[in-house]
Amino acid sequence: EAQVTQNPRYLITVTGKKLTVTCSQNMNHEYMSWYRQDPGLGLRQIYYSMNVEVTDKGDVPEGYKVSRKEKRNFPLILESPSPNQTSLYFCASSLSMGSGGIQYFGAGTRLSVL
Amino acid sequence: SQQGEEDPQALSIQEGENATMNCSYKTSINNLQWYRQNSGRGLVHLILIRSNEREKHSGRLRVTLDTSKKSSSLLITASRAADTASYFCATAPGGKLIFGQGTELSVKP
Repeated sequence: EAQVTQNPRYLITVTGKKLTVTCSQNMNHEYMSWYRQDPGLGLRQIYYSMNVEVTDKGDVPEGYKVSRKEKRNFPLILESPSPNQTSLYFCASSLSMGSGGIQYFGAGTRLSVL
Repeated sequence: SQQGEEDPQALSIQEGENATMNCSYKTSINNLQWYRQNSGRGLVHLILIRSNEREKHSGRLRVTLDTSKKSSSLLITASRAADTASYFCATAPGGKLIFGQGTELSVKP
C-alpha cells in the first residue's frame, strides 16, 4: 500500500531535549516536505527536499533541521526544542514539485514541548 | 501572504444538503487542488483541476475554476455525516504548493 509513515504519532518532551521525527515513503517520490499546522495559521512549510541530498528552507525553518540521505526517508530534527514548537507536524511526499504535484500526507505527529 | 483563501471559514449543514466552499487565489496558476482533513489527521487529496478546465467531477464532488476571477469552488452534493472535515484548496505559484486556511464543514445527522 502506497503510504507516508511518520513516527511517533504523539510525543511529549521537555525544552532542550533533542528529538527526531521520522518520515518514510514507499512511492519512490522525489519531493518530500515537512509542515506544521497551528490553529489560525494553517499549514506552514518547514523544509522541503527535491531529491537525495537536496534540501531547502520553507517558510518557517528556524529551530529545525532535516536530512535526505536516502530517497525514502526525510527525518525532521529538533536540536533544542522549545515550547513554541508545540504543534501538529506533517510529512508529505509527491512525485515532483513542478506544477504543484499531488501530495501524499502522513498521519501526523502531535508534539508537545513542556 | 496567503495564496489561497477559503470562504466560508466554517459551514454547518444537515445531512443530505449540498455544501459549497469557495477558494480565491492571487497569482496565475497551472492547476488548483482540493484536500480534505479529518480532525487531527493528514490531508488527503480530493481533486485537481487544471487551469484550462472549467469544471471537474469526482463522485459527489464538483469543482469549478474561474481563472478570470481567480477563484474555485468545491461542491459536495447530498452530504453525509462522514463528510465532516476541513477542506483546503492549494495552488503552486512558483512550483511550491501553498494551502489556504481551510473551510471547516460540519454535517449534522
